[in-house]
Amino acid sequence: GAVVSQHPSRVICKSGTSVKIECRSLDFQATTMFWYRQFPKQSLMLMATSNEGSKATYEQGVEKDKFLINHASLTLSTLTVTSAHPEDSSFYICSSDGGQTDTQYFGPGTRLTVL
Amino acid sequence: DAKTTQPPSMDCAEGRAANLPCNHSTISGNEYVYWYRQIHSQGPQYIIHGLKNNETNEMASLIITEDRKSSTLILPHATLRDTAVYYCIVSDNAGKSTFGDGTTLTVKP
Repeated sequence: GAVVSQHPSRVICKSGTSVKIECRSLDFQATTMFWYRQFPKQSLMLMATSNEGSKATYEQGVEKDKFLINHASLTLSTLTVTSAHPEDSSFYICSSDGGQTDTQYFGPGTRLTVL
Repeated sequence: DAKTTQPPSMDCAEGRAANLPCNHSTISGNEYVYWYRQIHSQGPQYIIHGLKNNETNEMASLIITEDRKSSTLILPHATLRDTAVYYCIVSDNAGKSTFGDGTTLTVKP
């Protein structure tokens, strides 16, 4: 299947700083990528849909000014958590449809810890 | 997207078949059934999907009832590495997946 990578895999930052997470499609072009968040012992929650060359579409309740998404190329989408606070500590996961319409491939996730 | 209901947990003996049920009674005609699994602290892994016919691949089999209101994921010979949370999702767009709580499968030696 298609391969999606994320960087970094783990990040620890101080409260008030911004953190950028990269999501790359390694062997295909990803017009659309998705960003999820997962708190401990909970399921994945879709945060936003990232579209190459256009603005992201955010799910209800997700602050677009806090979670900045950029999808400037067909192989890279970035999620920036601005002015991070401890409650933003979570597991962030991206995914893509792998160039197909009927399946989805997930990245390995990024563990964010805000002190 | 239609909602799914799965048992919160199941156990299975190593080497035996693991049968994971999923109810999706409100599924609509253009929605597929997808199965993913998530091993602790990793991203979800795609397993299989289907519309109305039963499907099989190298990982698992998917049995969908004729009325499409429920399905079963079958891992034919479970190993310890199959211990994970298994998610059943129904959607007409694979990308916009609404994850429920899933079933925690524990494969025991």
